[in-house]
Amino acid sequence: QKEVEQNSGPLSVPEGAIASLNCTYSDRGSQSFFWYRQYSGKSPELIMFIYSNGDKEDGRFTAQLNKASQYVSLLIRDSQPSDSATYLCAVWGWSGMRFGAGTRLTVKP
Amino acid sequence: GAGVSQSPSNKVTEKGKDVELRCDPISGHTALYWYRQSLGQGLEFLIYFQGNSAPDKSGLPSDRFSAERTGGSVSTLTIQRTQQEDSAVYLCASSLENRGVETQYFGPGTRLLVL
Repeated sequence: QKEVEQNSGPLSVPEGAIASLNCTYSDRGSQSFFWYRQYSGKSPELIMFIYSNGDKEDGRFTAQLNKASQYVSLLIRDSQPSDSATYLCAVWGWSGMRFGAGTRLTVKP
Repeated sequence: GAGVSQSPSNKVTEKGKDVELRCDPISGHTALYWYRQSLGQGLEFLIYFQGNSAPDKSGLPSDRFSAERTGGSVSTLTIQRTQQEDSAVYLCASSLENRGVETQYFGPGTRLLVL
């Protein structure tokens, strides 16, 4: 079992819709959870992090964490074509930082 | 500097040769990480350094890989006797500390191609 699992996609949504990206992790002792965005050929950049159960909102982005289910998600409201990228879920635990393989999101105008 | 820098940006080498990849973290950042990203894949953790502590080498795929960090700043990742499967983008990241909630800032990466 991979430590951090994401659907590889591609996930395609129309402009203005809500994009929902999901991630599960295996280490129950994981403490912090991150979402990174990576444009093609570029380095990852942090969108937001969360470490408490519940929702955390930042502009059009909402991260959701459920430690009991070992599940973290990212919602992107009012999706824009510029949001088209690969979204990497990262989890910090006893084994350090571990990344998922990423979900490729395409927002169609 | 303003961000994490890496050199070279691209490296083409022949199978069996040794390569050195350099990372210059953001000034003042005590934690430094190396990751490998193969085409279309996620980030594979290789090694991290935190201050003067012994590095966590648990992600290094074989003993052909080694890394050092001199003076708590610049780091060099060395791959000996390169193989074609070593071809990937090698990313370096740094953060203020290694407590898990500190933002990691990534460098532009070194694209390694082993022929």
